[in-house]
This record gives sequence, C-alpha cells and structure tokens, in this order.
Amino acid sequence: TQLLEQSPQFLSIQEGENLTVYCNSSSVFSSLQWYRQEPGEGPVLLVTVVTGGEVKKLKRLTFQFGDARKDSSLHITAAQPGDTGLYLCAGVRGNTPLVFGKGTRLSVIA
Amino acid sequence: GAGVSQSPSNKVTEKGKDVELRCDPISGHTALYWYRQRLGQGLEFLIYFQGNSAPDKSGLPSDRFSAERTGESVSTLTIQRTQQEDSAVYLCASSLAGSRYEQYFGPGTRLTVT
Repeated sequence: TQLLEQSPQFLSIQEGENLTVYCNSSSVFSSLQWYRQEPGEGPVLLVTVVTGGEVKKLKRLTFQFGDARKDSSLHITAAQPGDTGLYLCAGVRGNTPLVFGKGTRLSVIA
Repeated sequence: GAGVSQSPSNKVTEKGKDVELRCDPISGHTALYWYRQRLGQGLEFLIYFQGNSAPDKSGLPSDRFSAERTGESVSTLTIQRTQQEDSAVYLCASSLAGSRYEQYFGPGTRLTVT
C-alpha cells in the first residue's frame, strides 16, 4: 500500500499551459515537502508546507497543503520546458523517515 | 560548499557478485539516508542513520543489503550476491537532524546487474 499517492503519474503538456498535480494520503503529516528531480540527478527540494491550508508560491509554482494536512497540490502556471522533470512529494511524520510518493513525471513540450 | 557525493557514478556487475556503494554527506549533517529508485519510479526508503542512534533498517529489502556509517561521515551500502532485480539508481541524502529538515541528495549510483 502506497502511503502517498501522486496523480497523475505522467503528464505531457504544451509550453504555456497550466497544470495541477496532486499528492494524497489517508494519513496526517506534520509537514510535506515537494522535490523536483531531473534526469541523472538527485531530487532537489522546492518547498516545505507546514500549516494546514498553507499556500506557498515559488515564481510560477503554487503549493497548497490541505486543511487536514493529508494532501497537497502543486499548480504550475504557464509551464516552460525547464519545468520538465519528476515531481515528488514527501511526508514528514515525527522523526520517522520521509515517506515519498512515486512522483508525477512532467514533460513540457516547446 | 561541497554537496553530497556518491561513488561510483555507474557500476556494472555480474549476478552473484558483491558491490559497495559509497556516500560522502555534507559536513555537519547528522542524518543520512539511502534510497533505491527503479527506472521510472519514485524513491524507496532503505536505511536511515541519525547521529549515534541505532540505524532505522526497516526499508532494507533483504538480508543481502547492509549499510554502515562511520560517525557522522562516510557511509557505505553493501549488496551481497547481487540479483538482476537489484538494478536501480541508489541515492544517498543527508540532512540536519531529523526528517523534517531538507534532504540534500547526491547524484546517485546507477547499478546494473547483468
């Protein structure tokens, strides 16, 4: 059983389009992290959301943490080819290791 | 400053051989993690070291897998009697104490078992 479900698994869009990817769980997390991984590299942290209902913006990326701290979304406005990559969410519960989702593989076509 | 480094970057081995993968964390990071990432998949937790505490080995898939860490520095992941299903990218990450802190990942070691 996957503790964190990410959807969609794959997404291919044209440059300039908007998109939203989701990270859902039946468990509560104290915080949630979003990472982006490019081919041949390790994941890099984009943002950490901590408070239920919190919204954080990083340029064209908007992250939201669900009120119940069980889910999160990532919205990208006017996607660019440089946004291509694997987007991973990871949940924090106390001092236990991070729980990673399987990721959403995004391809933005110029 | 130096990030997390891993070696080798690529390793091809024959089925049944043992392999050792190395991770050099960021200086001062007390937490160190190993993950496995199969082709096109997300990250599978393997093992977690935190300071001098006993490591969390709950993610190791079999007793062929083991890892050690010397103090708060280098870690090695050893896979004995490798199998084809062990083929994957093995990622190491380090962080300040506790999983709530940002993890800094190395570039990974791509292991291919033939």
